[in-house]
Amino acid sequence: AQKVTQAQTEISVVEKEDVTLDCVYETRDTTYYLFWYKQPPSGELVFLIRRNSFDEQNEISGRYSWNFQKSTSSFNFTITASQVVDSAVYFCALSEDSGGSNYKLTFGKGTLLTVNP
Amino acid sequence: DAGITQSPRYKITETGRQVTLMCHQTWSHSYMFWYRQDLGHGLRLIYYSAAADITDKGEVPDGYVVSRSKTENFPLTLESATRSQTSVYFCASSEPRLARYEQYFGPGTRLTVT
Repeated sequence: AQKVTQAQTEISVVEKEDVTLDCVYETRDTTYYLFWYKQPPSGELVFLIRRNSFDEQNEISGRYSWNFQKSTSSFNFTITASQVVDSAVYFCALSEDSGGSNYKLTFGKGTLLTVNP
Repeated sequence: DAGITQSPRYKITETGRQVTLMCHQTWSHSYMFWYRQDLGHGLRLIYYSAAADITDKGEVPDGYVVSRSKTENFPLTLESATRSQTSVYFCASSEPRLARYEQYFGPGTRLTVT
């Protein structure tokens, strides 16, 4: 069974600090997909990134970067020079490709990030 | 604007009443989903649909009914609302047939059952 663990329930940082949100996943599939979503205080869920299991290249988008390591089953998310607008709950999610279930996302419990001015 | 919309955004209803939450998407995505989000439980899948007239249960389907007569609409009905169904409900869509596995979410409906 697939599982996503976000061990950090809450993180609080001061603006301009770098922060890493951890995500560890479990799956028996060799092909799977990992995702990060952001839920700001306004409540909507915003898709940030998808990473395929066969593509271990790290990704950088502005101040955001993602580190995918199959060896440790982790897909960590780093925000560089954090800003108050980064304050949100961040969810990691996983979908497996086998059995035609690639439509289904399993979400972690989320990490509440608070960036203080 | 294209995207996924939900209505109403806020709803207060009484125990025992029937209430329907609407979801509409303009992308012609084949898959649509209903989740509920509660403190301590994260996001839980209620029902999903792979295409018009094809629906299936998720993790917490009891007390809910769905239908999908058109690709773009996926209403969720609480047949007899209970206080435990007080929650924030999110609709989402995706198109895995085109390798677009990510789900795009609507703005949510905050439902309070009194």
